[in-house]
Amino acid sequence: DIQMTQSPSTLSASVGDRVTITCRASQSISSWLAWYQQKPGKAPKLLIYQASSLESGVPSRFSGSGSGTEFTLTISSLQPDDFATYYCQHYHSVSYTFGQGTKLEIK
Amino acid sequence: EVQLLESGGHLVQPGGSLRLSCAASGFTFSGNAMSWVRQAPGKGLEWVSSISRSGSSTDYADSVKGRFSISRDTSKNTLYLEMSTLRAEDTAVYYCAKPALYFYFDYWGQGTLVTVAS
Repeated sequence: DIQMTQSPSTLSASVGDRVTITCRASQSISSWLAWYQQKPGKAPKLLIYQASSLESGVPSRFSGSGSGTEFTLTISSLQPDDFATYYCQHYHSVSYTFGQGTKLEIK
Repeated sequence: EVQLLESGGHLVQPGGSLRLSCAASGFTFSGNAMSWVRQAPGKGLEWVSSISRSGSSTDYADSVKGRFSISRDTSKNTLYLEMSTLRAEDTAVYYCAKPALYFYFDYWGQGTLVTVAS
């Protein structure tokens, strides 16, 4: 199975900061990667699919890039609503593994 | 509006069985594959199982293979997850999720909690 590794596990930042989260796959997954945001007690919310396509309704401050084995999620200017946990997920093949998550905290 | 409403989660003893349901509305259920994803308390997300549009093809995570069975009833717009030989490590919130064009998930239910404990 393909393993997904996110870094960092925790990220402290301030409103207005630009932040980047990295996701690495254990083998090439082309661009078959999605990013989700999850808040406590809530279901995940799709942000990005196909590595860099923004889901409808998601603010443009969110962007994704990468292909092959290395991917990034960037938030250009953090807003108070963005403090949450972020997960990457590959859909290259069964099993559709998620990364372990990155918790974005207020500094 | 797409809605996915899970039910059936509760406390069950190790070795026991449980059936989860997910009532779907707001989209053409028969035209979409469906999946279950779980999240243990304080942990990350784990894909559990998927079923094709017709129900003829199913996939499972190694951690549940042989113990869990996914199915669907198109006449009721409902997805199921039959769980047996439950273990403590199956304790989690179980989400019903709708895949988009490929197996990333654009809609999720609110989740149902399964607790396996004596």
